Amino acid sequence: AQTVTQSQPEMSVQEAETVTLSCTYDTSESNYYLFWYKQPPSRQMILVIRQEAYKQQNATENRFSVNFQKAAKSFSLKISDSQLGDTAMYFCAFMTNYGGATNKLIFGTGTLLAVQP
Amino acid sequence: EPEVTQTPSHQVTQMGQEVILRCVPISNHLYFYWYRQILGQKVEFLVSFYNNEISEKSEIFDDQFSVERPDGSNFTLKIRSTKLEDSAMYFCASSEALPSYNEQFFGPGTRLTVL
Repeated sequence: AQTVTQSQPEMSVQEAETVTLSCTYDTSESNYYLFWYKQPPSRQMILVIRQEAYKQQNATENRFSVNFQKAAKSFSLKISDSQLGDTAMYFCAFMTNYGGATNKLIFGTGTLLAVQP
Repeated sequence: EPEVTQTPSHQVTQMGQEVILRCVPISNHLYFYWYRQILGQKVEFLVSFYNNEISEKSEIFDDQFSVERPDGSNFTLKIRSTKLEDSAMYFCASSEALPSYNEQFFGPGTRLTVL
């Protein structure tokens, strides 16, 4: 069974600084996707960034980038130039890509990020 | 931009009562999901639905739960006889067809409180 672990329940960062959120996962699959979702205080989850396991290049979306270490099963999220609007719960998630009709997401426990002015 | 909507935003019910949580997925999406998040805990998969049938369900999704797509636009989750431990935030999600990968778009959630 796949598991996702986020070891940092809470983090804090000053506005304009950089912060890295950690995520590790466990799977025996070789083909899968990894995601970071953001859940602001309004509680609607929004996809921040995704990474296909077969791609060696780390995904980047504006101020958000990942450090994907497949051998170590690590998938950290770096937020550069942190903004107040980045304050949210961040969930790391895993999805097996076996082409089935399910593609369920398996979530970690989340990291609550607070951006301080 | 199209989005997933859910109603109601908050539902309070008495233990043993039936509740129906409603979701309107994005119109061209074919895959539908329910997840729940007990306060302070991780988001957990409940069930996935495709082609008018359940494609996978978790251990949480026991006989008290059912899902339906009654009219081609709504996607509902019914809990037949609610328990205190059903109190949680319930999220609906939808995604487009396979094969490559499908981003799941989440609704804002329904907070269910069972008294």
